[in-house]
Amino acid sequence: DTGVSQDPRHKITKRGQNVTFRCDPISEHNRLYWYRQTLGQGPEFLTYFQNEAQLEKSRLLSDRFSAERPKGSFSTLEIQRTEQGDSAMYLCASSYLALRDRAYSGANVLTFGAGSRLTVL
Amino acid sequence: GQQVMQIPQYQHVQEGEDFTTYCNSSTTLSNIQWYKQRPGGHPVFLIQLVKSGEVKKQKRLTFQFGEAKKNSSLHITATQTTDVGTYFCAGPGAAGNKLTFGGGTRVLVKP
Repeated sequence: DTGVSQDPRHKITKRGQNVTFRCDPISEHNRLYWYRQTLGQGPEFLTYFQNEAQLEKSRLLSDRFSAERPKGSFSTLEIQRTEQGDSAMYLCASSYLALRDRAYSGANVLTFGAGSRLTVL
Repeated sequence: GQQVMQIPQYQHVQEGEDFTTYCNSSTTLSNIQWYKQRPGGHPVFLIQLVKSGEVKKQKRLTFQFGEAKKNSSLHITATQTTDVGTYFCAGPGAAGNKLTFGGGTRVLVKP
């Protein structure tokens, strides 16, 4: 296993275009997260999946953003009608949380991918 | 919602010196995690602290979890150029479903 993979690594697009990012998590991980990071800031939570179910979305997430994890393996993050403010690094992370650990919220250590950098012109 | 704050935002350190960076949460945490992001890289997990007052060491790095489980610190001794990067603390929400990251402390080392 080579860790968490993200594609593409860089995307330059014009305002108003749609973009899609893909994330392949560590195969035995059941949780997958999307974060956004802008220069000089910490990662900002966007959404997460437990297997194929999307369990939480940030209230800051615009309706233009949609994420899927159709078979509980890879995930896609689509941004429609991109705006210049969408320019950021989009980070995917995965983790494994066993049933026995769910009462213990501390078990969720994230492994991040290298990220997909989006530039909207 | 939960907020995690880190100070200082920037830390300029002379090589060989010690420094400490601090992390404070607006809510009590079940655990706290620390990550390091090298320039141009992605966050990489360093350590997790769970118990009140817990102290863990990784070579020259010492991590501490506060007694009230609302704050944490990272102390680096004899700073080296390999310590350059941004150090983030992160804590889980009440349901333990996501990590909220602080803004990070960016460490710059002067040789």
